[in-house]
Parts: sequence; structure tokens; C-alpha cells
Amino acid sequence: AQSVAQPEDQVNVAEGNPLTVKCTYSVSGNPYLFWYVQYPNRGLQFLLKYITGDNLVKGSYGFEAEFNKSQTSFHLKKPSALVSDSALYFCAVRDRLTGGGNKLTFGTGTQLKVEL
Amino acid sequence: DTGVSQDPRHKITKRGQNVTFRCDPISEHNRLYWYRQTLGQGPEFLTYFQNEAQLEKSRLLSDRFSAERPKGSFSTLEIQRTEQGDSAMYLCASSLLGRRDEQYFGPGTRLTVT
Repeated sequence: AQSVAQPEDQVNVAEGNPLTVKCTYSVSGNPYLFWYVQYPNRGLQFLLKYITGDNLVKGSYGFEAEFNKSQTSFHLKKPSALVSDSALYFCAVRDRLTGGGNKLTFGTGTQLKVEL
Repeated sequence: DTGVSQDPRHKITKRGQNVTFRCDPISEHNRLYWYRQTLGQGPEFLTYFQNEAQLEKSRLLSDRFSAERPKGSFSTLEIQRTEQGDSAMYLCASSLLGRRDEQYFGPGTRLTVT
């Protein structure tokens, strides 16, 4: 079985400060990991993914995420937050093994609020 | 617009009625997925198609739910005898064949069962 935990329901950060949104995962084998963002009244938008290779993955809008196998984490980061980054962020995992199928398993989401 | 589209965007129905939703994936994508999202939760997988074949179904997909993708292009999700617990956002996503490929989501259909 595969699962994702996002321990923070909400993260508040001042504009210009670095932000981190936490995610930990559990899979039987090795993971494919994803971050998606959801703005009000809009669909989920893909931000970035970890498949293999470098543990630091760069994605859209200046976001990056660091894969840490020993801690089973895939935290989302951005060096300098913008008010426009305020949205709901979802971490998702897919197990590389056949038993994981092709479905994504999502966390419960973290609401990011960036204030002036 | 070359993204995933869903129709309708909103549906209000009375308990016991049947509803059908449509999803049009990105044209070259051969995989199509349905998810359900309730308030305060992340999307939950319902089913997925590779071309016209339905390859996996979640236990969440009760007998009242049926999905089709007859020509390997658009897909429909039907809910029969709707219940209040079916109220949710129904999301469709598509991807290229390949386990590494990210899924692209449509805007969703919000179902309210009264």
C-alpha cells in the first residue's frame, strides 16, 4: 500500500521569506513523487516530480523539492515566497512496483498563505 | 485550449437520480483517470483507462458507479441512484503511456446531491 502524509494543514509565511511545505511517504518499493497545486475554482496543476537521479528537483514557478530516502520525505521549497503562491498544495506518490498500479495517492493538502 | 476538459462543471441533483459526467483528455494522452475529492481531503483514485480498456478500479467505485471510454478518447462516469454521500468534486486526469509521466487534471465536476 502507498500513502502520503502532509503534517501541516496550513503554513503561513511572509512574502520574500523562504517556504517549506512538508511531505512524507510510504511505499513498498521505490517511489515516484509529485507535487500539485490547486487554486480556487481551478484544477490541480502539476508542479514537479521526482523519478530518479538528483535528489533536488526543480519545477514550475521557482519551486523545488528535495527527496530524502532515509527520511522518506519530499518537502516542497521555495527560496522567496510570493503572495501569488497562496494556494492548496498536494503531495502525491506512486509506487514503481506493478502492485502500486498507475494511480496517484494524494496527501490531505497543505494550505499555504503568503502575507505581505 | 489543449488541456483536460470536463462537463458539466457543476451538477445539482436529487437523491435517487442518475447523473453522467464527461471528460475529454489531452488528445495524445492514452491514459485517463477518475478521482473523487471531498472537502478537506486530497483526491482519491476511482478508476483508470489505458485507451479503451478499464485496467483498474478502486474499492470506492461501488456498483452504482460505472465508467466508460468507448473509443479511447473521451470518458464518461455515471452514478446511478445518487446518495448524499456522493456529493464531491469529480476530477478527471490524463497522461501519456509510461509510469514516469505526470497526470494532467481537468477543472472537475462538482456534484451536489440534495
